[in-house]
Amino acid sequence: GAGVSQSPRYKVAKRGQDVALRCDPISGHVSLFWYQQALGQGPEFLTYFQNEAQLDKSGLPSDRFFAERPEGSVSTLKIQRTQQEDSAVYLCASSPQGEAYEQYFGPGTRLTVT
Amino acid sequence: AQSVTQLGSHVSVSEGALVLLRCNYSSSVPPYLFWYVQYPNQGLQLLLKYTSAATLVKGINGFEAEFKKSETSFHLTKPSAHMSDAAEYFCAVTPRGGYQKVTFGIGTKLQVIP
Repeated sequence: GAGVSQSPRYKVAKRGQDVALRCDPISGHVSLFWYQQALGQGPEFLTYFQNEAQLDKSGLPSDRFFAERPEGSVSTLKIQRTQQEDSAVYLCASSPQGEAYEQYFGPGTRLTVT
Repeated sequence: AQSVTQLGSHVSVSEGALVLLRCNYSSSVPPYLFWYVQYPNQGLQLLLKYTSAATLVKGINGFEAEFKKSETSFHLTKPSAHMSDAAEYFCAVTPRGGYQKVTFGIGTKLQVIP
């Protein structure tokens, strides 16, 4: 079956622009996670959804970052007024109900802020 | 707080040689532990996970890892390296019980020399 997909795969934004990154999880997966992976680092947790409820957003680095999953399926991570330090790969992962510890990752969106 | 430490950001082995990637965890109680692999421009793929009493865990592509509570370690091994094993490997940890954030190590880049 289809895995987790993310779009766009690459995004170049000028500093100050807003961006929206999309994640399509595996069909039926209840849990959805966003991570930020800086160059040469491991993924860092941003936020977690269970269905449409955002249960943990403690990893969002600033109020410029906003995530939503309005119908409990597709999720969008929005970054307002992008800064150079936002340049990273943004990874989305999903997991089925009851298996929240096993996550299936998408290929990521590489964001470059110039 | 939970954490993992991966010793060696770069490891080189000859094709056919033993692969050993080190991971030590810090957690007040035995956690769930994972190894993920990331190929260039791809998302993370689960190699194996420790979630039960069986301390020797076998994963995909001939990898295995042993949970050693006394050493707080979860090292990843493979008896014979293949060229296709060249990738970045991440150790990750999450506490037991319900949803918990997954914390990743910084990764170890494995180079396989022909």
